[in-house]
Amino acid sequence: EIVMTQSPATLSVSPGERATLSCRASQSVSSNLAWYQQKPGQAPRLLIYDASTRATGIPARFSGSGSGTEFTLTISGLQSEDFAVYYCQQYKKWPLALTFGGGTKVEIK
Amino acid sequence: QVQLQESGPGLVKPSQTLSLTCTVSGGSVSSGGDYWSWIRQHPGKGLEWIGYIYYSGSTYFNPSLESRISISIDTSKNQFSLILSSVTAADTAVYYCAIFAGGRSLIWGQGTVVTVSS
Repeated sequence: EIVMTQSPATLSVSPGERATLSCRASQSVSSNLAWYQQKPGQAPRLLIYDASTRATGIPARFSGSGSGTEFTLTISGLQSEDFAVYYCQQYKKWPLALTFGGGTKVEIK
Repeated sequence: QVQLQESGPGLVKPSQTLSLTCTVSGGSVSSGGDYWSWIRQHPGKGLEWIGYIYYSGSTYFNPSLESRISISIDTSKNQFSLILSSVTAADTAVYYCAIFAGGRSLIWGQGTVVTVSS
């Protein structure tokens, strides 16, 4: 099983600043990586797939990068609606399996 | 716009079987390319993939749950279902149905809370 590790667990950021979230895979997943945003009481929302492609309707302030085992989600100019939990998810062996990271909570500093 | 809605009992006794259904509207479970999926989230925790079914009936399960789960599809009702047997308190979670395609998911249900308790 490919294990996904996200860091930090919690990130405190002031509105308007940049947030950088990390996701590491236990083995290479190439670019088969997605990022989701989840707000309290809501289902996750797809932000990024294929490591760097924004999903439809996602603002340009969200960007993804990386390949292999190291990935980054960057949120530039944090807005109030961006404070949430973010999960990475790999799909290297799709459709045989997929796994999620443990999440990073972005909170207001 | 495809929408998903989970339904099922909110409370299940330990050792019993949990059965959840996801009703699809605005689309068809017979659509090729889509994997009809179940994901769960333990209280205050992250997301765990349970498994999915393709319209052809092929299923793929999380190895850690494979011995206890079954996923089926009912094209006449445009629904798909999850059965989880021998539940314990560790199965208490919010259960989501979702559509995966190309490895990622654009569409999720709102989730249903399941508590395992006597």
